[in-house]
Amino acid sequence: QVQLQESGPGLVKPSQTLSLTCTVSGGSISSGSYYWSWIRQPAGKGLEWIGRIYTSGSTNYNPSLKSRVTISVDTSKNQFSLKLSSVTAADTAVYYCARERLAALDYWGQGTLVTVSS
Amino acid sequence: QSALTQPASVSGSPGQSITISCTGTSSDVGGYNYVSWYQQHPGKAPKLMIYDVSNRPSGVSNRFSGSKSGNTASLTISGLQAEDEADYYCSSYTSSSTPYVFGTGTKVTVL
Repeated sequence: QVQLQESGPGLVKPSQTLSLTCTVSGGSISSGSYYWSWIRQPAGKGLEWIGRIYTSGSTNYNPSLKSRVTISVDTSKNQFSLKLSSVTAADTAVYYCARERLAALDYWGQGTLVTVSS
Repeated sequence: QSALTQPASVSGSPGQSITISCTGTSSDVGGYNYVSWYQQHPGKAPKLMIYDVSNRPSGVSNRFSGSKSGNTASLTISGLQAEDEADYYCSSYTSSSTPYVFGTGTKVTVL
């Protein structure tokens, strides 16, 4: 059973960089034809796709966030990471990592709340 | 890329059937058979309920079924139960600037 777990600071100051890591267990992040994705959800609102990385390292980002987002993978640690720079209060949300295959997100982390505040 | 359109809320009594619609365009829902549905209980992560329009992952109740006609996909919950009360989101592969897009979300209430 594949499991994903997000980790990182729950509080980030405005203009700083948000950094989160997703640790995958129960399977190798390098095996299979999967994308590894980040999605966020502001309180009381819908889901917003942030971006994804393939096992080869190729990435896709949401155009609305592209200039501020970097997603990377560390296969030796079975982890992938999200960096979002120049954050504002609008970036406050629950951040989820998930595994994707053919546009279906079949395994999700529990989510982690990140608050942007001074 | 605009979000797919879902009704804000749908309600039904226990045992009834309800249907949630998800309307897109020919560039997403209508153009590909890659529509998924997610169930999200308060404070929990979304859970995949349907993928590829009508397929259920292992462990998902057969009370949940999906279909598509033109640019609109639908999720039907039959034999509605109290535990089905949750938010539901659709998503679709899209040929636009993002690989897929989510729906606006529907709150299902069991009366």
